[in-house]
Amino acid sequence: SQQGEEDPQALSIQEGENATMNCSYKTSINNLQWYRQNSGRGLVHLILIRSNEREKHSGRLRVTLDTSKKSSSLLITASRAADTASYFCATDRDSNYQLIWGAGTKLIIKP
Amino acid sequence: NAGVTQTPKFQVLKTGQSMTLQCAQDMNHNSMYWYRQDPGMGLRLIYYSASEGTTDKGEVPNGYNVSRLNKREFSLRLESAAPSQTSVYFCASSESTSGGYTFGSGTRLTVV
Repeated sequence: SQQGEEDPQALSIQEGENATMNCSYKTSINNLQWYRQNSGRGLVHLILIRSNEREKHSGRLRVTLDTSKKSSSLLITASRAADTASYFCATDRDSNYQLIWGAGTKLIIKP
Repeated sequence: NAGVTQTPKFQVLKTGQSMTLQCAQDMNHNSMYWYRQDPGMGLRLIYYSASEGTTDKGEVPNGYNVSRLNKREFSLRLESAAPSQTSVYFCASSESTSGGYTFGSGTRLTVV
């Protein structure tokens, strides 16, 4: 069963523009994580935001979390060709060791 | 610092054959996981090991078995491969069950 649902499924923008991806989930969570996956590679952890946090930054990445709406967004500013990848959100649930993953947003940065 | 190492990277099996996917991490992480990734879907947890000496079923455990050999190593075994097990398999580890995961580079398995 999927807890996280990313939106949009695919996004194509020009290099230098900002990219925003959204993730919605269904049940209460302890934390929400974002990962990047380049084609044919493993996933790379980008950022973890806890349920009592509202915003977190890491370099060109900004993540927000709205627990009242059960949603999160990932903003990548000043996009680069190297940002071309699929981006996944994952949530955990209370007293459960399992991360639940969305199907991902495929981001393409056009030069 | 290798992180999480998976072997093999590619494998083709005939239906009914068995094989073991190997995974090792060098970060002294307590928890380890096996996922499968199919096109258009998120990762689905097969089995996990919250700590050395324990293993538990995930979302899709049927047809698989695991062994947490020691703190570093967590193997996944397919006893009798089926075409439905054609997928990309990822091993991951984390310091705790509530932290970020480090993934291996994956094993692309085809069952014919």
